[in-house]
Amino acid sequence: KAGVTQTPRYLIKTRGQQVTLSCSPISGHRSVSWYQQTPGQGLQFLFEYFSETQRNKGNFPGRFSGRQFSNSRSEMNVSTLELGDSALYLCASRGRARYEQYFGPGTRLTVT
Amino acid sequence: GEDVEQSLFLSVREGDSSVINCTYTDSSSTYLYWYKQEPGAGLQLLTYIFSNMDMKQDQRLTVLLNKKDKHLSLRIADTQTGDSAIYFCAERYNYGGSQGNLIFGKGTKLSVKP
Repeated sequence: KAGVTQTPRYLIKTRGQQVTLSCSPISGHRSVSWYQQTPGQGLQFLFEYFSETQRNKGNFPGRFSGRQFSNSRSEMNVSTLELGDSALYLCASRGRARYEQYFGPGTRLTVT
Repeated sequence: GEDVEQSLFLSVREGDSSVINCTYTDSSSTYLYWYKQEPGAGLQLLTYIFSNMDMKQDQRLTVLLNKKDKHLSLRIADTQTGDSAIYFCAERYNYGGSQGNLIFGKGTKLSVKP
């Protein structure tokens, strides 16, 4: 089985712009979660989607949003980018064995 | 609130055993995890343990769970240079009774010297 894939792998944006990141879960997995990783704050949960519905949300401002499509692929969007949004954004998927969560390689976002 | 703590660094010699420790706060956590992250990569699920278990062994990896003290450890036997990476401990936060998101520690950077 192919693993979790994320596109793009690297992205450079300027302050004030918006960005959309994409995640394709492992085939058959219906739950997708997003995490932000920064040197200062570590790994922080953004949100989780299951069957196109947001099921859980972390403590991030409304500039961070996401959605999930009927094929379980997910996108997250960050509007009005700030320098502090520079981070590695990781997507993870869960299947029927809901305790096993697998991560993708991440998208490295740099905001200048 | 929920918190997971780990020491930041560990240095061992090749061939020795490594023990990475972690403490967590959410007593209702159902699963506890160890992930490995190599430079420039995502997180690799190494192993996990259900909260009603004390120990789990998987090849060179041994996980010990002391639920009373909320202490989790990962032992890597015969540590190799390829084990050099950052190791994250995580607990699954119970959200409204259902399995919620993972709460991660800051990670322990393991350096293996030849």
